[in-house]
Amino acid sequence: DVKVTQSSRYLVKRTGEKVFLECVQDMDHENMFWYRQDPGLGLRLIYFSYDVKMKEKGDIPEGYSVSREKKERFSLILESASTNQTSMYLCASRLAGTGAYGYTFGSGTRLTVV
Amino acid sequence: DQQVKQNSPSLSVQEGRISILNCDYTNSMFDYFLWYKKYPAEGPTFLISISSIKDKNEDGRFTVFLNKSAKHLSLHIVPSQPGDSAVYFCAASVTGNQFYFGTGTSLTVIP
Repeated sequence: DVKVTQSSRYLVKRTGEKVFLECVQDMDHENMFWYRQDPGLGLRLIYFSYDVKMKEKGDIPEGYSVSREKKERFSLILESASTNQTSMYLCASRLAGTGAYGYTFGSGTRLTVV
Repeated sequence: DQQVKQNSPSLSVQEGRISILNCDYTNSMFDYFLWYKKYPAEGPTFLISISSIKDKNEDGRFTVFLNKSAKHLSLHIVPSQPGDSAVYFCAASVTGNQFYFGTGTSLTVIP
């Protein structure tokens, strides 16, 4: 069964910590995405990557960075965690050129910054 | 600025009745539309899609309607079942590019 795996379901971090959220997909997908989901705001795109070593800013990149050193892995980095980054983080992947079929999402990481 | 909008944050429907979830968009270049379903503590799962060359797509109990002139799409669930209780997101894209998601509608189907 193909899947997108996010390494942690729940995380609690302190303000100012550097936080790494990991996402791995086993579908050989070129495109990968990081979203955050907040009540009343839906899913907002943080960063995405069309292929290895590539990255593009989404709608809300401030306070985040990403790394895509291997095709299967896309990491989201919170450089210095703040309480307003408490959220549900969702990773997704997609085969390039198949926008018609949407994304496959991971189960999400619920991050709490205290 | 929100390019995809779901103006109803919540909806309650009796089991067996029809659920209608609505979505509006502003970008006339969008040519592919999806609906996702999300349970708490899980990632969204793909439900149904429609391309701009169609005005209707049906899959079992789920039908999506697209009105391009009104920039409006809707998801109909008939008959609604308690297991359909979830948050539903619509999403739109220009093919090959990122999807823009709505804010979600929380559907509760009452047994």
